[in-house]
Amino acid sequence: ETGVTQTPRHLVMGMTNKKSLKCEQHLGHNAMYWYKQSAKKPLELMFVYSLEERVENNSVPSRFSPECPNSSHLFLHLHTLQPEDSALYLCASSQVQGDNSPLHFGNGTRLTVT
Amino acid sequence: GENVEQHPSTLSVQEGDSAVIKCTYSDSASNYFPWYKQELGKGPQLIIDIRSNVGEKKDQRIAVTLNKTAKHFSLHITETQPEDSAVYFCAASRGVSGGYQKVTFGTGTKLQVIP
Repeated sequence: ETGVTQTPRHLVMGMTNKKSLKCEQHLGHNAMYWYKQSAKKPLELMFVYSLEERVENNSVPSRFSPECPNSSHLFLHLHTLQPEDSALYLCASSQVQGDNSPLHFGNGTRLTVT
Repeated sequence: GENVEQHPSTLSVQEGDSAVIKCTYSDSASNYFPWYKQELGKGPQLIIDIRSNVGEKKDQRIAVTLNKTAKHFSLHITETQPEDSAVYFCAASRGVSGGYQKVTFGTGTKLQVIP
């Protein structure tokens, strides 16, 4: 059991659907991240929230919309996705401090867009 | 932009042998180098890390080395066991304004330990 919980673990959706991914961290951290993991590619940072404020948006298409209602919860809202968006979506958290705070990852949501 | 190169992409070793994974980074401002292990169906889990003011760190069967001048760092696993089989990621990280971590990951090494 990790300190970062992601639901659902698997999601299949059509291109016209709207769905949401949920992440909850129980570590008392105050920075949360969404990463996309595709085969044979490095982990891609999508969004970062630090102290509940979005601080990074890495040129992610608008069909992905993040939400961070508090420091323990993070959502990724999905709509009109494309098949190439199929991937493992990982949530992570860390402590906002000086340097050297490691990321703690959840087990991811495996997304398939049909 | 920042880049981390990781080699090899796949590695097979006999149980009991050693495994070495090497990484090179480009961002001189990186000062923290974590290593993650990802097992099938799970997210990456931190296994060891090293800070820029340290050249080597060891934790039981795993060790990391860092050469800041050459921008190289490596993971060494000794006396490998079947449960070491997984994908390993290196990363180079620095803190940024806003307090979060700017982390650049390598492309991963799939390690297979043959019993």
